[in-house]
Amino acid sequence: DPKIIQKPKYLVAVTGSEKILICEQYLGHNAMYWYRQSAKKPLEFMFSYSYQKLMDNQTASSRFQPQSSKKNHLDLQITALKPDDSATYFCASSQEGGLTEVFFGKGTRLTVV
Amino acid sequence: GEQVEQRPPHLSVREGDSAVIICTYTDPNSYYFFWYKQEPGAGLQLLMKVFSSTEINEGQGFTVLLNKKDKQLSLNLTAAHPGDSAVYFCAAPSGSFNKLTFGAGTRLAVCP
Repeated sequence: DPKIIQKPKYLVAVTGSEKILICEQYLGHNAMYWYRQSAKKPLEFMFSYSYQKLMDNQTASSRFQPQSSKKNHLDLQITALKPDDSATYFCASSQEGGLTEVFFGKGTRLTVV
Repeated sequence: GEQVEQRPPHLSVREGDSAVIICTYTDPNSYYFFWYKQEPGAGLQLLMKVFSSTEINEGQGFTVLLNKKDKQLSLNLTAAHPGDSAVYFCAAPSGSFNKLTFGAGTRLAVCP
């Protein structure tokens, strides 16, 4: 029974379009994250949120915008999609603070054509 | 910031053999680490959290060794079985709030 739900599992988008990746967690965690995994690079940290506030942003492009409507939701809006954005995007969560385990969802595989 | 190198990128062993994956990190202040397992089409499954206060950590069917002097972390799967076939990642926290830096991964194949 997955505790971190990501939707959709697969997504195909046209270059220049906009998509939203959905993530909700039912672990009672206060912190949520986005990571990206592509063929060219290992798992890369993108964003961290704590109590719905942005804590860290390691994404150079403003085309990537996290959206947190509730404490257990952290969606990722991507605008003006490019083929290089093709990757699997993983949502993760943990309790706030260091030394805590970080749990991952199953990912959304995005293909931009 | 922290950098993590992981080797080997690919590893093939026979069922019952052991498999060793090594990660080398750069930040001497790192004091805890994670090992994750990723099966095809699945997310990352947390295998173990490793603290620098403990050099040997045992899990179900595997042992994690931490060598702080050489800044090296190793995952040793003892008596591997086909269900262990997956991609394994080590991760170290770096800099800010629970940001993890991952190794590039090791694709392990266990042949019957």
